[in-house]
Amino acid sequence: IAGITQAPTSQILAAGRRMTLRCTQDMRHNAMYWYRQDLGLGLRLIHYSNTAGTTGKGEVPDGYSVSRANTDDFPLTLASAVPSQTSVYFCASSDSTEDTQYFGPGTRLTVL
Amino acid sequence: AQKITQTQPGMFVQEKEAVTLDCTYDTSDPSYGLFWYKQPSSGEMIFLIYQGSYDQQNATEGRYSLNFQKARKSANLVISASQLGDSAMYFCAMRGINTGTASKLTFGTGTRLQVTL
Repeated sequence: IAGITQAPTSQILAAGRRMTLRCTQDMRHNAMYWYRQDLGLGLRLIHYSNTAGTTGKGEVPDGYSVSRANTDDFPLTLASAVPSQTSVYFCASSDSTEDTQYFGPGTRLTVL
Repeated sequence: AQKITQTQPGMFVQEKEAVTLDCTYDTSDPSYGLFWYKQPSSGEMIFLIYQGSYDQQNATEGRYSLNFQKARKSANLVISASQLGDSAMYFCAMRGINTGTASKLTFGTGTRLQVTL
């Protein structure tokens, strides 16, 4: 059972560069989410998608964009990375917005 | 707005003992769900247990139980018979049910549990 896969596992990126974090789930879950985890702040929701074709903004959406062209994939794009976007990024999914969210392994991103 | 507070940045417990990790919450949603996740040093987030605000009984899942006190707005996690493998960061989280906040899981800042011999 693969569940949720994220790529890359880790990345070091120069400020100003564009970066897409990939997230794929094989559970046919309708809802998907992106969080960032920073020390002392817990996890914060960046963007979410209730179903394919729809997206919404979370708590900290600025500087990030998402798309949901199909059920399985939910990429997160940093158009022009800044050092404050250094974080661990988690993708999650749930069968519906009412259900438990299950998380991917995370991507550690460092912006220099 | 929803808020989760975990006031214990770190806890120690001896192996085989029980430990309670505190979580208090604040929300204006009439119904909501509460979650606990475990994050070991390897980094993944592992779902442990769920409690709905209208559930009549406290949730249990193996050695994990949730001490839900709605009037006090607390949802403490109790781990019985601690094991060395329980050493990890633990996060409390919540979301609304049947509300516009249903998609939005709000997390606390976590409690680091260390199980000792």
